[in-house]
Amino acid sequence: DAGVIQSPRHEVTEMGQEVTLRCKPISGHNSLFWYRQTMMRGLELLIYFNNNVPIDDSGMPEDRFSAKMPNASFSTLKIQPSEPRDSAVYFCASSFGGRDYNEQFFGPGTRLTVL
Amino acid sequence: GDSVTQMEGPVTLSEEAFLTINCTYTATGYPSLFWYVQYPGEGLQLLLKATKADDKGSNKGFEATYRKETTSFHLEKGSVQVSDSAVYFCALSRAGNNRKLIWGLGTSLAVNP
Repeated sequence: DAGVIQSPRHEVTEMGQEVTLRCKPISGHNSLFWYRQTMMRGLELLIYFNNNVPIDDSGMPEDRFSAKMPNASFSTLKIQPSEPRDSAVYFCASSFGGRDYNEQFFGPGTRLTVL
Repeated sequence: GDSVTQMEGPVTLSEEAFLTINCTYTATGYPSLFWYVQYPGEGLQLLLKATKADDKGSNKGFEATYRKETTSFHLEKGSVQVSDSAVYFCALSRAGNNRKLIWGLGTSLAVNP
């Protein structure tokens, strides 16, 4: 199994540009999570989907951020327009959510730098 | 609301030293508790978990016991190795909402040879 795949691994962009981060969850998993990690705020859950439906987006910082999951094998996180304070590592994770808790599997992350 | 508090790092130890990383939680109901580890340049991965009081999770020489009376889930290892250098995260899942995790801030561990 290839695990959770994220692209790009690194992204450098200028303030005001649109940024799109991509995630392919593990096949068969029905929950997908987007996280942001910074030194100041630690690990933050931005949004999670269950069966492709957004369940909780309370962690999305503001309207500049949007996430979609058009099918079970693909999700995007978009920032438009980007700002320097968005610089962080963004992780995607997936799990198979049954009745009991199931392990979240993380991708390698996308390191975003906004100049 | 629910929360997780970890001891602040960084923690620096010599190889073969004993490790304890403290974790306490606040939650309603009976959460499940987890330790995840993040090696440099990688995503997080599950290290161990415990789903009910007095359960002990263990993996790779690490252990943690779910203590409801002290609302704690401290991570321990008897003899650390250089390869254990990483950031360790304590987390809980809310009862009835088993997909979302509440995370601690992480504790960085550096093990010197």
